Amino acid sequence: DVKVTQSSRYLVKRTGEKVFLECVQDMDHENMFWYRQDPGLGLRLIYFSYDVKMKEKGDIPEGYSVSREKKERFSLILESASTNQTSMYLCASSLIRWGSVNTGELFFGEGSRLTVL
Amino acid sequence: AQSVTQLGSHVSVSEGALVLLRCNYSSSVPPYLFWYVQYPNQGLQLLLKYTTGATLVKGINGFEAEFKKSETSFHLTKPSAHMSDAAEYFCAVTGGQGNLIFGKGTKLSVKP
Repeated sequence: DVKVTQSSRYLVKRTGEKVFLECVQDMDHENMFWYRQDPGLGLRLIYFSYDVKMKEKGDIPEGYSVSREKKERFSLILESASTNQTSMYLCASSLIRWGSVNTGELFFGEGSRLTVL
Repeated sequence: AQSVTQLGSHVSVSEGALVLLRCNYSSSVPPYLFWYVQYPNQGLQLLLKYTTGATLVKGINGFEAEFKKSETSFHLTKPSAHMSDAAEYFCAVTGGQGNLIFGKGTKLSVKP
């Protein structure tokens, strides 16, 4: 079974802190994604990566950055956390290679619920 | 551009009743469509997907969905609801860059 592991299920941080959310997948997938989930808004794509050291902005990248130094690991970084970044963050991976049509599904981690005070 | 609209943010059914969750999509290319389920405090789990071929797709837990190109719809159904079906359901369509574009979700409640 594909396993996507997010390092922290629940975090509480203060405004202005730097926050790292870590995600690891064990299936040698090419693509990795960070989504943000808010009630009534569904899932919104923050960043994604289709290869090591590659990254692409999603729909809501402002206030976030990412790092992919190894194929299996994709980190989301909040340089200076703000209260409007309180949310559920979902990491996902997929096998489909860049430039191909995505006929395969995304595999999700359990989510990281971040509260910024 | 691709988009997904889920009609009804909340749906409530009685145990044993038909479940119908509606999804309409917009896509400039032939779509690949997905339904995911999310139980409380968990990630998303794939229920079923449509890529090509048969338009009636069967998934896990007795759910199925039918791709109707003329109606740009991909509604999710289950003949008889169970208490364990209470969850949030998301419809998704392939984006242009290997990602999925999700609807806003429908919370399903099942009454005893």
